Amino acid sequence: SYVLTQPPSVSVAPGKTARITCGGNNIGIKSVHWYQQRPGQAPVMVISYDKDRPSGIPERISGSNSGNTAALTITRVEAGDEADYYCQVWDTISDLPVFGGGTKLTVL
Amino acid sequence: QVQLVESGGGLVKPGGSLRLSCAASGFTFSDYWMSWIRQAPGKGLEWLSYISDSENTIYYADSVKGRFTISRDNAKNSLYLQMNSLRAEDTAVYYCARTGTMAFSNFDSWGQGTLVTVSS
Repeated sequence: SYVLTQPPSVSVAPGKTARITCGGNNIGIKSVHWYQQRPGQAPVMVISYDKDRPSGIPERISGSNSGNTAALTITRVEAGDEADYYCQVWDTISDLPVFGGGTKLTVL
Repeated sequence: QVQLVESGGGLVKPGGSLRLSCAASGFTFSDYWMSWIRQAPGKGLEWLSYISDSENTIYYADSVKGRFTISRDNAKNSLYLQMNSLRAEDTAVYYCARTGTMAFSNFDSWGQGTLVTVSS
């Protein structure tokens, strides 16, 4: 089955830029979706189809996808960005969705 | 606005059964594929099952295949998950999620989750 690899944690100071990666074999040909899960809350989709922002998601959050790595970038990081972030694709061989293990973003 | 409200969670003994429900509102439920996704305490997201808008496509994760059954009632705007032969490792928060109007979409709306605890 298709495997997505995320770093367990990323730390960043307020106002700086955070980059969370999601590795997968030739992930660049897949559509990647990203979800933010704040503590005690349900996940919220923040990026769809590699780089599209749903309504209400700030422009500070962006996505990219190429080669074997997709990335979620958050500029001008705020305390409210502290959350777990999950990437997700569809394994087109099994027709099943796959989540990465999640990355905990800590705002220092 | 889109709203998904899960119910039916609780404490159940190993080997027992539970039926989860998800009430949908704010969108045309019958147009959308729907999924169940769970999160064990302190762990990541695990997709469990999805069902197409017309119920003719259903898939399960290997971890629940043969034990869990997904269904929907478009007339009642509701999604269900029948869980049988429950195990301790099924303890988790269970989310229903809207899964787009076609295959291979994303999970663009989630409920608040319902906690299932499997313990003797």
